[in-house]
This record gives sequence, C-alpha cells and structure tokens, in this order.
Amino acid sequence: AQKITQTQPGMFVQEKEAVTLDCTYDTSDQSYGLFWYKQPSSGEMIFLIYQGSYDEQNATEGRYSLNFQKARKSANLVISASQLGDSAMYFCAMRVRAGGTGNQFYFGTGTSLTVIP
Amino acid sequence: DVKVTQSSRYLVKRTGEKVFLECVQDMDHENMFWYRQDPGLGLRLIYFSYDVKMKEKGDIPEGYSVSREKKERFSLILESASTNQTSMYLCASSPGTGVAKNIQYFGAGTRLSVL
Repeated sequence: AQKITQTQPGMFVQEKEAVTLDCTYDTSDQSYGLFWYKQPSSGEMIFLIYQGSYDEQNATEGRYSLNFQKARKSANLVISASQLGDSAMYFCAMRVRAGGTGNQFYFGTGTSLTVIP
Repeated sequence: DVKVTQSSRYLVKRTGEKVFLECVQDMDHENMFWYRQDPGLGLRLIYFSYDVKMKEKGDIPEGYSVSREKKERFSLILESASTNQTSMYLCASSPGTGVAKNIQYFGAGTRLSVL
C-alpha cells in the first residue's frame, strides 16, 4: 500500500532558528518521487522541493533541504533560518506510477508550522 | 510559470443543485487531478485524468463525476450537491510520465459551501 505519514500536527519554531518537519513513506515501487508543499492561509499549494528515489544527493532549494534516508523511508524537510512568512501548513507527498501511463500522488495529513518572533 | 486556474475561489450552493467546478492549465500538461481537502484529513483524490477523455477514479469518487474534453480543461461535477460535500477543492496538473521531476502544480482552490 502507498502511504505518507506526517506525525507532527503542529510545530513551533523561533524566528531565525532551523526546524525539521518529519515525513515517512511506504511504497513497494522502486521508482518514485517525494515532494514538499507549503500551504499558507490563502489556501494555494506551493511546491517547495523534490527528491527522486534514485537521486543520491539530498535536494536543496534555498533555505529548504530534504533529508532523504531511503533505507528508513523518510523524507524530512529542513527549513533553515525560519522567517515569519514560513508560518503555514506543510504537506509531504509521494508520486508513484499508476495504471496506464499516468502517475498518482499521495499526501500526508500535514504539519502546521508557526514561527514565533 | 505554470498556471492552474480554478474558476471560483468561493462558491455557495444549495442542497440538490448540480455544481460545476472548472480548472484550466496553460502548460500542456498530460495529467490533471481533483482533490478535496478537509481539516485533519489532508488531501484526498477524487478523480484524475491521464489524457483527453480519459479519467480514473481516485479514493473518494462517490457523488462526483469529471469531464475532460480538452487537454487544458478538467471539470469536476457534483451531480446533486449535499452538505457533506462542503469542502475545499483543489485542482492540480502535472506534465506526465517521461518527465524527470513530474511536479504537480495546484490552483488556488475553491471553497464550496453547500447549504
């Protein structure tokens, strides 16, 4: 079964500190992709970072990095130097091949991050 | 930039009405998706489409149907709206198989209230 698990419903971090949001996944596929999205209170889902299952190096995008541990099936998001604008819901997602020529995406239940001044 | 546009940000409908939610993408993406988002449940897939006129059921298709007559447009239809369909609806598109990252891009969402 394909599944994404985020065990932290809410997190707090002091401004300018780093924070790690946890994500574990379950799939029997060898080829898959892992994503993190940010959803501010406005509701739009914003793509942050991507990691392919065959990528040997951890992905980084500015202040975001993805700590990919394949054997443990974890894909944690690290946000460095937190800013007030980072306060939002964060979703971890996984892409696998679906029937036919398509792909299917699975999402976790999200982590609400609050940055404290 | 990829743009996924949903026709309405907020919608209020009455029980029993037929409701159409429209989604358009401008990047020639093969795959399109409809999700609903409810607090504590994350995103749940309603339907997705690999290509024009093709559709696949997701996890919660009951009470919904979809239409994809043109590549850029994917419509979600609530045949007879009910109060338990009050939710946030998100449309997304992705390039499709064969593209390395195949990132999914989202519209701004439609908050539907069924009274």
